[in-house]
Amino acid sequence: NAGVTQTPKFQVLKTGQSMTLQCAQDMNHEYMSWYRQDPGMGLRLIHYSVGAGITDQGEVPNGYNVSRSTTEDFPLRLLSAAPSQTSVYFCASSLSSGTGNGYTFGSGTRLTVV
Amino acid sequence: GDSVTQMEGPVTLSEEAFLTINCTYTATGYPSLFWYVQYPGEGLQLLLKATKADDKGSNKGFEATYRKETTSFHLEKGSVQVSDSAVYFCALSDRAAGNKLTFGGGTRVLVKP
Repeated sequence: NAGVTQTPKFQVLKTGQSMTLQCAQDMNHEYMSWYRQDPGMGLRLIHYSVGAGITDQGEVPNGYNVSRSTTEDFPLRLLSAAPSQTSVYFCASSLSSGTGNGYTFGSGTRLTVV
Repeated sequence: GDSVTQMEGPVTLSEEAFLTINCTYTATGYPSLFWYVQYPGEGLQLLLKATKADDKGSNKGFEATYRKETTSFHLEKGSVQVSDSAVYFCALSDRAAGNKLTFGGGTRVLVKP
């Protein structure tokens, strides 16, 4: 009963470096999403997926890529890190994208870009 | 587009005090409403939800009622504990917006012994 697992928990990158934030869930959830959390701005949706092979952009997609090759995994790629991407990133999943379903969140990845 | 507005914090209370966090929303369709809680250093946890007008969600002594006429979903707890210190997020999921979850800015609550 691991739920949603995110790795790494902390990461420091230099400007221009690339990296992948990992997210895996073991609940057979169809819907997965990535959010970033910034002080005073709540959580903003970056990308989401309604099932394997299907992804779409959220509110703040620029600078990030995603793919969904399996139901379990939904990695987030930073192509060329910028200081503006310093944030806490959360992965979340839900049984489906139905409005009444709650989301299960991972514990987050704190990313600092210097 | 959809939006959620909640009162800014921090809210500082003494143990056993009454807590209210206001939340209002704007949505294109007929949304489901949620309260999430984030304890220090952790991810968000679903606290309670309501999926239609006049529904009351409740959990761990917290309650919120879906008020369609005032587009509100205020969170209340009658007697808070130190362990309730956390950040609370109001959120909505709207079918007209592809069922994506839209969050308010969060309200930090600090309960002192």
